[in-house]
Amino acid sequence: AQSVTQLGSHVSVSEGALVLLRCNYSSSVPPYLFWYVQYPNQGLQLLLKYTSAATLVKGINGFEAEFKKSETSFHLTKPSAHMSDAAEYFCAVSGIDDKIIFGKGTRLHILP
Amino acid sequence: DAGVTQSPTHLIKTRGQQVTLRCSPKSGHDTVSWYQQALGQGPQFIFQYYEEEERQRGNFPDRFSGHQFPNYSSELNVNALLLGDSALYLCASSLFSRLPGNQPQHFGDGTRLSIL
Repeated sequence: AQSVTQLGSHVSVSEGALVLLRCNYSSSVPPYLFWYVQYPNQGLQLLLKYTSAATLVKGINGFEAEFKKSETSFHLTKPSAHMSDAAEYFCAVSGIDDKIIFGKGTRLHILP
Repeated sequence: DAGVTQSPTHLIKTRGQQVTLRCSPKSGHDTVSWYQQALGQGPQFIFQYYEEEERQRGNFPDRFSGHQFPNYSSELNVNALLLGDSALYLCASSLFSRLPGNQPQHFGDGTRLSIL
């Protein structure tokens, strides 16, 4: 079985500062890991995914995430926050099937 | 190229009623998954349809049922609505692959269901 824990339901960073959103996973099989973003009143948009190729995954909008098996982590980062990054971010995992298990989400606030 | 479209966008029902939500997948996609997203929570997997059959199911009661049509569009039906069914219902489409996790799912904007 797979599960995901996102640390921090709310994260605030200043515009231009580093964004770090934390995600730890549990999986009995090699995992596939995802980060999605959700803007208000919209569906989810895929930011990036890890599928056992490179451990550092680059996504859209300047985001990237690093898969660390020893730490069972897949933290999302962006070097410089922009006001448009304010949204809800979901870490997710899937295993041997296409069923995606989502974390509870982290709301990112950008301070001017 | 149209993405995933869902209808209606909003719906208000009362307890005990039945509801049908609709989803048209992204062009070229043949697999549809449904998720329930309660307020302040992450989406929870309800079920997935491929080749007009339910392939997988999450931990949801039989009140939740679905259907996929030959054109790959799908419906989610919920019977005997409860207050706790109030949520955003998301549809996601993908292209079937035997490689798990290989196909990112494209999401629609959802149907907001409110139960009074």
